[in-house]
Amino acid sequence: AQSVSQHNHHVILSEAASLELGCNYSYGGTVNLFWYVQYPGQHLQLLLKYFSGDPLVKGIKGFEAEFIKSKFSFNLRKPSVQWSDTAEYFCAVGRNSGGYQKVTFGTGTKLQVIP
Amino acid sequence: EAQVTQNPRYLITVTGKKLTVTCSQNMNHEYMSWYRQDPGLGLRQIYYSMNVEVTDKGDVPEGYKVSRKEKRNFPLILESPSPNQTSLYFCASSLLLRTANTEAFFGQGTRLTVV
Repeated sequence: AQSVSQHNHHVILSEAASLELGCNYSYGGTVNLFWYVQYPGQHLQLLLKYFSGDPLVKGIKGFEAEFIKSKFSFNLRKPSVQWSDTAEYFCAVGRNSGGYQKVTFGTGTKLQVIP
Repeated sequence: EAQVTQNPRYLITVTGKKLTVTCSQNMNHEYMSWYRQDPGLGLRQIYYSMNVEVTDKGDVPEGYKVSRKEKRNFPLILESPSPNQTSLYFCASSLLLRTANTEAFFGQGTRLTVV
Protein backbone atom coordinates (compact mmCIF):
# COMPACT_ATOMS: atom_id res chain seq x y z
CA ALA A 1 0.00 0.00 0.00
CA GLN A 2 1.11 3.52 -0.65
CA SER A 3 2.31 5.14 2.54
CA VAL A 4 4.44 7.67 4.32
CA SER A 5 7.03 6.20 6.68
CA GLN A 6 8.76 7.90 9.53
CA HIS A 7 11.43 5.59 10.82
CA ASN A 8 12.01 7.04 14.26
CA HIS A 9 9.08 7.03 16.64
CA HIS A 10 10.85 8.60 19.57
CA VAL A 11 14.11 10.52 19.53
CA ILE A 12 15.91 11.89 22.57
CA LEU A 13 18.69 14.43 22.09
CA SER A 14 20.70 16.77 24.24
CA GLU A 15 20.60 20.47 23.51
CA ALA A 16 23.00 21.52 20.71
CA ALA A 17 22.97 18.05 19.17
CA SER A 18 22.20 17.74 15.48
CA LEU A 19 18.88 16.34 14.35
CA GLU A 20 17.83 14.31 11.36
CA LEU A 21 14.37 12.77 11.12
CA GLY A 22 13.70 10.38 8.30
CA CYS A 23 10.69 10.40 5.99
CA ASN A 24 10.11 8.13 3.03
CA TYR A 25 7.07 7.79 0.83
CA SER A 26 5.99 5.26 -1.70
CA TYR A 27 4.00 7.32 -4.22
CA GLY A 28 5.07 7.69 -7.83
CA GLY A 29 4.56 10.85 -9.80
CA THR A 30 4.50 14.44 -8.63
CA VAL A 31 4.16 15.04 -4.93
CA ASN A 32 4.13 17.97 -2.54
CA LEU A 33 6.02 17.42 0.68
CA PHE A 34 5.48 18.89 4.11
CA TRP A 35 6.79 18.77 7.62
CA TYR A 36 4.43 19.82 10.39
CA VAL A 37 5.28 20.30 14.04
CA GLN A 38 2.96 19.79 16.99
CA TYR A 39 4.12 21.33 20.27
CA PRO A 40 2.68 19.75 23.43
CA GLY A 41 -1.02 20.46 23.71
CA GLN A 42 -1.15 22.44 20.48
CA HIS A 43 -2.33 21.99 16.92
CA LEU A 44 -0.19 21.16 13.92
CA GLN A 45 1.78 24.00 12.41
CA LEU A 46 3.61 24.04 9.11
CA LEU A 47 7.38 23.84 9.50
CA LEU A 48 8.33 23.77 5.84
CA LYS A 49 7.11 22.62 2.47
CA TYR A 50 8.41 21.55 -0.91
CA PHE A 51 6.43 21.99 -4.10
CA SER A 52 9.12 22.36 -6.77
CA GLY A 53 12.52 23.92 -7.46
CA ASP A 54 15.48 23.73 -5.11
CA PRO A 55 15.26 20.38 -3.33
CA LEU A 56 16.85 21.86 -0.21
CA VAL A 57 14.09 23.68 1.61
CA LYS A 58 14.56 26.00 4.55
CA GLY A 59 11.79 26.44 7.05
CA ILE A 60 11.14 28.25 10.27
CA LYS A 61 13.24 28.01 13.43
CA GLY A 62 16.37 26.82 11.64
CA PHE A 63 14.87 23.65 10.21
CA GLU A 64 15.58 22.44 6.71
CA ALA A 65 14.68 19.41 4.63
CA GLU A 66 16.09 17.84 1.52
CA PHE A 67 13.98 16.20 -1.15
CA ILE A 68 15.84 13.30 -2.77
CA LYS A 69 13.59 12.10 -5.55
CA SER A 70 15.58 8.95 -6.31
CA LYS A 71 15.24 7.84 -2.70
CA PHE A 72 11.63 9.00 -2.25
CA SER A 73 12.82 10.80 0.85
CA PHE A 74 12.28 14.15 2.54
CA ASN A 75 14.38 14.13 5.69
CA LEU A 76 14.17 16.93 8.22
CA ARG A 77 17.35 18.38 9.69
CA LYS A 78 18.49 20.94 12.22
CA PRO A 79 22.17 21.53 13.05
CA SER A 80 21.64 22.34 16.72
CA VAL A 81 18.42 21.59 18.60
CA GLN A 82 17.04 23.54 21.52
CA TRP A 83 14.87 22.48 24.42
CA SER A 84 12.00 24.40 22.79
CA ASP A 85 12.15 22.01 19.82
CA THR A 86 10.59 19.30 22.00
CA ALA A 87 7.51 18.35 19.99
CA GLU A 88 6.06 15.78 17.67
CA TYR A 89 7.00 16.06 14.01
CA PHE A 90 4.87 14.82 11.14
CA CYS A 91 5.92 14.29 7.57
CA ALA A 92 3.12 14.58 5.02
CA VAL A 93 2.85 13.90 1.32
CA GLY A 94 0.31 15.54 -0.96
CA ARG A 95 -0.57 14.21 -4.35
CA ASN A 96 -3.10 15.09 -6.98
CA SER A 97 -6.19 12.94 -6.69
CA GLY A 98 -9.14 13.89 -8.88
CA GLY A 99 -8.34 17.59 -8.89
CA TYR A 100 -7.60 18.07 -5.23
CA GLN A 101 -4.60 17.45 -3.06
CA LYS A 102 -4.88 14.29 -1.00
CA VAL A 103 -2.51 14.53 1.93
CA THR A 104 -1.26 11.49 3.80
CA PHE A 105 0.55 11.87 7.09
CA GLY A 106 3.27 9.75 8.59
CA THR A 107 2.86 8.33 12.07
CA GLY A 108 4.95 11.05 13.64
CA THR A 109 8.24 11.27 15.52
CA LYS A 110 8.34 12.50 19.08
CA LEU A 111 11.44 14.56 19.77
CA GLN A 112 12.53 15.13 23.32
CA VAL A 113 15.38 17.57 23.85
CA ILE A 114 17.12 17.37 27.19
CA PRO A 115 18.58 20.61 28.55
CA GLU B 1 -6.22 36.68 11.65
CA ALA B 2 -6.42 33.59 9.45
CA GLN B 3 -7.58 30.67 11.51
CA VAL B 4 -9.48 27.44 11.81
CA THR B 5 -11.67 27.31 14.90
CA GLN B 6 -12.94 24.11 16.47
CA ASN B 7 -15.38 23.72 19.33
CA PRO B 8 -15.39 22.30 21.86
CA ARG B 9 -11.74 21.79 22.77
CA TYR B 10 -12.55 19.03 25.23
CA LEU B 11 -15.58 16.77 25.40
CA ILE B 12 -16.48 13.79 27.55
CA THR B 13 -19.61 11.95 26.55
CA VAL B 14 -21.35 8.62 27.01
CA THR B 15 -21.75 5.85 24.48
CA GLY B 16 -24.62 6.47 22.09
CA LYS B 17 -25.22 10.14 22.81
CA LYS B 18 -25.11 12.08 19.56
CA LEU B 19 -22.59 14.91 19.40
CA THR B 20 -21.33 17.51 16.95
CA VAL B 21 -17.90 19.09 16.77
CA THR B 22 -17.93 22.36 14.90
CA CYS B 23 -15.24 23.70 12.59
CA SER B 24 -15.09 27.11 10.99
CA GLN B 25 -12.44 28.78 8.81
CA ASN B 26 -12.13 32.41 7.75
CA MET B 27 -9.78 32.01 4.78
CA ASN B 28 -12.41 31.25 2.12
CA HIS B 29 -10.82 27.84 1.55
CA GLU B 30 -12.68 25.40 -0.64
CA TYR B 31 -11.16 22.27 0.87
CA MET B 32 -11.84 21.17 4.43
CA SER B 33 -11.19 17.89 6.15
CA TRP B 34 -11.35 16.08 9.46
CA TYR B 35 -8.58 13.95 10.93
CA ARG B 36 -8.26 11.85 14.02
CA GLN B 37 -4.93 11.50 15.75
CA ASP B 38 -4.13 8.37 17.71
CA PRO B 39 -0.83 7.34 19.31
CA GLY B 40 1.37 5.45 16.87
CA LEU B 41 -1.05 5.96 13.99
CA GLY B 42 -0.45 9.60 13.12
CA LEU B 43 -3.27 11.54 11.51
CA ARG B 44 -5.89 9.66 9.57
CA GLN B 45 -8.43 11.40 7.40
CA ILE B 46 -12.07 10.84 8.30
CA TYR B 47 -13.97 12.92 5.73
CA TYR B 48 -13.19 15.75 3.40
CA SER B 49 -15.09 18.34 1.41
CA MET B 50 -14.05 20.07 -1.79
CA ASN B 51 -16.77 22.70 -1.64
CA VAL B 52 -20.28 23.41 -0.46
CA GLU B 53 -22.45 20.28 -0.63
CA VAL B 54 -19.48 18.20 -1.86
CA THR B 55 -18.20 15.71 0.70
CA ASP B 56 -16.51 12.33 0.52
CA LYS B 57 -15.08 9.63 2.73
CA GLY B 58 -11.49 9.62 3.82
CA ASP B 59 -9.58 6.66 5.15
CA VAL B 60 -11.55 6.03 8.37
CA PRO B 61 -15.14 7.29 7.86
CA GLU B 62 -17.06 4.62 9.79
CA GLY B 63 -19.18 6.06 12.59
CA TYR B 64 -18.92 9.65 11.40
CA LYS B 65 -20.97 12.05 9.31
CA VAL B 66 -20.23 15.51 7.99
CA SER B 67 -22.07 18.29 6.23
CA ARG B 68 -20.97 21.34 4.25
CA LYS B 69 -23.89 23.73 3.92
CA GLU B 70 -21.71 26.81 4.00
CA LYS B 71 -18.17 27.29 2.74
CA ARG B 72 -16.76 28.32 6.09
CA ASN B 73 -18.27 25.53 8.25
CA PHE B 74 -17.64 21.79 8.28
CA PRO B 75 -19.12 20.09 11.34
CA LEU B 76 -18.27 16.53 12.32
CA ILE B 77 -21.19 14.49 13.61
CA LEU B 78 -21.03 11.33 15.68
CA GLU B 79 -24.56 9.90 15.63
CA SER B 80 -23.85 7.16 18.17
CA PRO B 81 -20.37 7.55 19.66
CA SER B 82 -18.50 4.49 20.87
CA PRO B 83 -15.39 4.20 23.05
CA ASN B 84 -13.18 3.43 20.03
CA GLN B 85 -13.90 6.96 18.84
CA THR B 86 -12.04 8.37 21.81
CA SER B 87 -9.35 10.38 20.10
CA LEU B 88 -7.93 13.80 19.29
CA TYR B 89 -9.70 15.35 16.32
CA PHE B 90 -8.38 18.04 14.02
CA CYS B 91 -10.16 20.05 11.37
CA ALA B 92 -8.07 21.45 8.53
CA SER B 93 -8.67 23.69 5.55
CA SER B 94 -6.76 24.59 2.41
CA LEU B 95 -7.11 25.83 -1.12
CA LEU B 96 -7.75 23.23 -3.77
CA LEU B 97 -4.69 21.88 -5.59
CA ARG B 98 -5.80 23.14 -8.99
CA THR B 99 -5.94 26.66 -7.61
CA ALA B 100 -2.47 26.71 -6.13
CA ASN B 101 0.05 24.60 -4.37
CA THR B 102 -1.11 24.84 -0.85
CA GLU B 103 -0.61 23.74 2.71
CA ALA B 104 -3.26 22.86 5.26
CA PHE B 105 -4.18 25.03 8.21
CA PHE B 106 -5.25 23.18 11.31
CA GLY B 107 -7.64 23.91 14.12
CA GLN B 108 -6.62 23.64 17.77
CA GLY B 109 -8.01 20.16 18.13
CA THR B 110 -10.87 18.55 20.05
CA ARG B 111 -10.06 15.89 22.60
CA LEU B 112 -13.03 13.54 22.74
CA THR B 113 -13.51 10.86 25.36
CA VAL B 114 -16.39 8.40 25.01
CA VAL B 115 -17.15 6.40 28.15
